[in-house]
Amino acid sequence: GAVVSQHPSWVICKSGTSVKIECRSLDFQATTMFWYRQFPKQSLMLMATSNEGSKATYEQGVEKDKFLINHASLTLSTLTVTSAHPEDSSFYICSARDRLAGGDTQYFGPGTRLTVL
Amino acid sequence: EDKVVQSPLSLVVHEGDTVTLNCSYEVTNFRSLLWYKQEKKAPTFLFMLTSSGIEKKSGRLSSILDKKELFSILNITATQTGDSAIYLCAVRETSGSRLTFGEGTQLTVNP
Repeated sequence: GAVVSQHPSWVICKSGTSVKIECRSLDFQATTMFWYRQFPKQSLMLMATSNEGSKATYEQGVEKDKFLINHASLTLSTLTVTSAHPEDSSFYICSARDRLAGGDTQYFGPGTRLTVL
Repeated sequence: EDKVVQSPLSLVVHEGDTVTLNCSYEVTNFRSLLWYKQEKKAPTFLFMLTSSGIEKKSGRLSSILDKKELFSILNITATQTGDSAIYLCAVRETSGSRLTFGEGTQLTVNP
């Protein structure tokens, strides 16, 4: 099946620093990738839709200048949390749709746990 | 605004029990409903449902969709401790690719 990887799997950083999270589709091309945030005991909240070669579409309430998304190739999207603060600590998960397979199934990465001190 | 509501939010059962998880939704232009299982990391895909009344089955898990009443159920028979997880329901509209997730049901299966 389709595999999506994320790196790093866990990151701890100081308040005020920026953190970049990578999401890669390993064996398929993804024109669309999605970034979610999940707080403990809560469901996945969509942050933004990342489209290859164009600007990301952000959900209401998500600051685009704080959560920078770049989708430079068909297999890689990055999320940069700029000037991170403790309230940004969360589990960040990406997913991707297979460009050729079509359909509705999204394949999820393993997630990145961000802890901001 | 799309809305997906799952119930119960939490469920504790004993091994061997059968459980039914519920998902109701309100979307403008429904396309499909998906069930995911989330253990410690990211969700893994279980089922995708697009048509009413057609049961999807995989081992001890099965799911069905009612597009008239706008809900789906996920059944797990003869539960095992390995079934302990959060079960997420998500819907997709005809326009765009985004999924709207419910809050999830935390299932705990005790030995």
